[in-house]
Amino acid sequence: DTGVSQDPRHKITKRGQNVTFRCDPISEHNRLYWYRQTLGQGPEFLTYFQNEAQLEKSRLLSDRFSAERPKGSFSTLEIQRTEQGDSAMYLCASSLAGEGVEAFFGQGTRLTVV
Amino acid sequence: QKEVEQNSGPLSVPEGAIASLNCTYSDRVSQSFFWYRQYSGKSPELIMSIYSNGDKEDGRFTAQLNKASQYVSLLIRDSQPSDSATYLCAVGTSGSRLTFGEGTQLTVNP
Repeated sequence: DTGVSQDPRHKITKRGQNVTFRCDPISEHNRLYWYRQTLGQGPEFLTYFQNEAQLEKSRLLSDRFSAERPKGSFSTLEIQRTEQGDSAMYLCASSLAGEGVEAFFGQGTRLTVV
Repeated sequence: QKEVEQNSGPLSVPEGAIASLNCTYSDRVSQSFFWYRQYSGKSPELIMSIYSNGDKEDGRFTAQLNKASQYVSLLIRDSQPSDSATYLCAVGTSGSRLTFGEGTQLTVNP
């Protein structure tokens, strides 16, 4: 399978715990994006990387959120001290570099904070 | 005003009919436009991209773009029950990130 891969697919955590998600992009894609989607809404942009550089972060990305892409390949998204409002689907997408390029999504990680 | 607005749903059409999905956007400098299909509980799947004014056809799908009116639409001909899903309009903004509408839920009735 050469698509975008996310792990885990589902995560249930207690409020206050830290969680980390992983995304493996399509191998030749140098851009990687994180989005968050809640029920009945479209995905909301969180951040994106070109290679290992984090080029843009949404103001939605509070101090409790951090993303890395250390070698320009896979990326991790960590949420510290989770809150119930963090419950959502976390989507990763990848694309080639350039304006207006097509982005392809992974299966998503559904986070439930109890 | 929302950056990307889609026609409110849900939309229900009979099998074999044409489904019309509409989207307007607020940023005049946007240059890239996408339609994604999302089945319940699944992630968005890219079905069409369009960059120039006019129509772009791909099988049963036709995307239409009018930059002067800041309007983009998706037509699905010969709708099938398997087309039942939420359709997301996405607009490429600065830095290549996408801004999505809330989606229109389509149901095709057999």
